[in-house]
Amino acid sequence: RKEVEQDPGPFNVPEGATVAFNCTYSNSASQSFFWYRQDCRKEPKLLMSVYSSGNEDGRFTAQLNRASQYISLLIRDSKLSDSATYLCVVGLPWGGATNKLIFGTGTLLAVQP
Amino acid sequence: GAVVSQHPSWVICKSGTSVKIECRSLDFQATTMFWYRQFPKQSLMLMATSNEGSKATYEQGVEKDKFLINHASLTLSTLTVTSAHPEDSSFYICSASTGTPLPNYGYTFGSGTRLTVV
Repeated sequence: RKEVEQDPGPFNVPEGATVAFNCTYSNSASQSFFWYRQDCRKEPKLLMSVYSSGNEDGRFTAQLNRASQYISLLIRDSKLSDSATYLCVVGLPWGGATNKLIFGTGTLLAVQP
Repeated sequence: GAVVSQHPSWVICKSGTSVKIECRSLDFQATTMFWYRQFPKQSLMLMATSNEGSKATYEQGVEKDKFLINHASLTLSTLTVTSAHPEDSSFYICSASTGTPLPNYGYTFGSGTRLTVV
């Protein structure tokens, strides 16, 4: 079983749509949780950290359910520029205060005009 | 903000040769360096993790004698792919951590190296 699982997509949505991504992780020792976005042939960029209380950043809302080991990302009012691969990422303990990041397989989003 | 400079951004080499990839943290001290590999249409897979001055810790299935990691200073880490073969062709990317716990453990990614072995 993969440590971090996501629906690979692609999700094809029209501009302005609301789209939701889900992710599950298998290691209960996971300490930190993130959503990254990756554009084609580029490095991943942090979109937002995810907290148990849920957090929002503009059009993006992330939720974490530690009991069910489930993470979600909601994007409202999709823009063409949101087209990318969205990576669910968990951090596992790795000495001191550092976590090692484990990436999900990613979900491809294509926002259509 | 924190920047990690990764070089080269792309390289083509002949089968059997070795390739060295460098990652430099430009304005911070990289306590820990993570090396990832990404095959086409797949996600990033962690290869190894190293602390400055220590031997790298390799993930299961990653050959330590083939992928040599050096993290001799707090600002420089290198990955050498030895005796590269076509199946080693991939996107290699480093991520530097300052070790701070919040908000995102201070991870900064390099821009990646696209290796093609012919």
